[in-house]
Amino acid sequence: QKEVEQDPGPLSVPEGAIVSLNCTYSNSAFQYFMWYRQYSRKGPELLMYTYSSGNKEDGRFTAQVDKSSKYISLFIRDSQPSDSATYLCAMGKQAAGNKLTFGGGTRVLVKP
Amino acid sequence: EAGVVQSPRYKIIEKKQPVAFWCNPISGHNTLYWYRQNLGQGPELLIRYENEEAVDDSQLPKDRFSAERLKGVDSTLKIQPAELGDSAVYLCASSSGQGLPGYTFGSGTRLTVV
Repeated sequence: QKEVEQDPGPLSVPEGAIVSLNCTYSNSAFQYFMWYRQYSRKGPELLMYTYSSGNKEDGRFTAQVDKSSKYISLFIRDSQPSDSATYLCAMGKQAAGNKLTFGGGTRVLVKP
Repeated sequence: EAGVVQSPRYKIIEKKQPVAFWCNPISGHNTLYWYRQNLGQGPELLIRYENEEAVDDSQLPKDRFSAERLKGVDSTLKIQPAELGDSAVYLCASSSGQGLPGYTFGSGTRLTVV
C-alpha cells in the first residue's frame, strides 16, 4: 500500500463548478501538506501548502487538512477551463530534509 | 528570475545505451533534487543534493544510475545502460533550503527507451 493515495480520475466538471480533490495518507509523521498543479508536459508547480489541520484559503483555492483522519482536500471554486490539469498532493517532514512523498495525481478537466 | 532549466526536453534511445540529463537550478538554491515520474504517477525522489554533497541517494538505483553536482550548481543524472523500464519523465527541482518547504520544478526530460 502506498503512503499517499489519490484517486486518478479523470474528474470532469462544467465551467464554474466546484472541484473537490482529496488524498489519504498513512504516515502520521508527515508535518506539512501541499498541492501541486501539473499541466501536460510541464513540471509540477506549487499551489498551496499548510502545516496544520484546518482550512487555508488563497483566492479560488481552499486547502483542508484533517490530521486525525489522515485526509487532505483541495477545493477549487468557480472552476475555469485553465484549471484543467493534473493535481498532485504531496507531504513531507522536516526531519527527512524536505523529501516530498507525492500522490499519484488526479486529472481534472473543466469543460466550457 | 529564471526557473529550473533542464535539457534535453525529450530523448529517445535504444535499450542498453547510455543517456544523460542536465539541470541548472535557480540561482542561489543550494538544494537540488532529481525525481522520476512514471506515466500516471506522482514523482518519486531519486537523489537530493545539499550544495555538492549527495545527502539522500537511498532510492537511486546505483547499479545503473549516477549523478553529480560539480561546484554545487549544475547537476547531471546519468543512466548506463538504460532499460525499457527507465522510460519516464526525469524532473529536477531546487530550493533555497530556508523557509517554505516546497520547491520549484523544471519541465523535465521525457525519456523513452525502445
